[in-house]
Amino acid sequence: EAQVTQNPRYLITVTGKKLTVTCSQNMNHEYMSWYRQDPGLGLRQIYYSMNVEVTDKGDVPEGYKVSRKEKRNFPLILESPSPNQTSLYFCASSLSPGQGGEKLFFGSGTQLSVL
Amino acid sequence: GEDVEQSLFLSVREGDSSVINCTYTDSSSTYLYWYKQEPGAGLQLLTYIFSNMDMKQDQRLTVLLNKKDKHLSLRIADTQTGDSAIYFCAENWSTGFQKLVFGTGTRLLVSP
Repeated sequence: EAQVTQNPRYLITVTGKKLTVTCSQNMNHEYMSWYRQDPGLGLRQIYYSMNVEVTDKGDVPEGYKVSRKEKRNFPLILESPSPNQTSLYFCASSLSPGQGGEKLFFGSGTQLSVL
Repeated sequence: GEDVEQSLFLSVREGDSSVINCTYTDSSSTYLYWYKQEPGAGLQLLTYIFSNMDMKQDQRLTVLLNKKDKHLSLRIADTQTGDSAIYFCAENWSTGFQKLVFGTGTRLLVSP
């Protein structure tokens, strides 16, 4: 089954404790992206990747890191989480960027709470 | 700016039509999208419209595009309780690479 898998689904942590949210897709997609969803703000893009070893900042990259060493995986790293990073995070992928009309496939989300 | 605006909430009765509205900002957007988010799930693409079209119909869904006013709407005919969800519109922001900019989302509540 074609899917984007994120782990964990729920995570509670404390300020300053490094964490990684994993994302994996099995569709051989080139493009992957991370979003955060906050009430009243919709989805905002954190980082995206056009292909292996090609990543770039989205709209709200501060406090986050990503890597794309393999095509299928795109982990999101919070080196020193802070309470303002409490949010619902989504990973998404698509076949190739810039084609228009392409379908973004989303993971089920990771609810992160930073105390 | 990249603001894509939607009203936050819409409540309808089962069987009625629902109309969800969106205003976008980039007049050069080539595609506009509607995504649906069911409780506890990620977003799923519902439909999209190319910018040279005024209307697109897909079963119970009708998308209307007014380029002059930068206004997009999604009409759901014969709304069912299973249509209760958050609906996001999105435009592709032309930065050389097509970046999707999402609206704030409209929560649709369908009551029996």
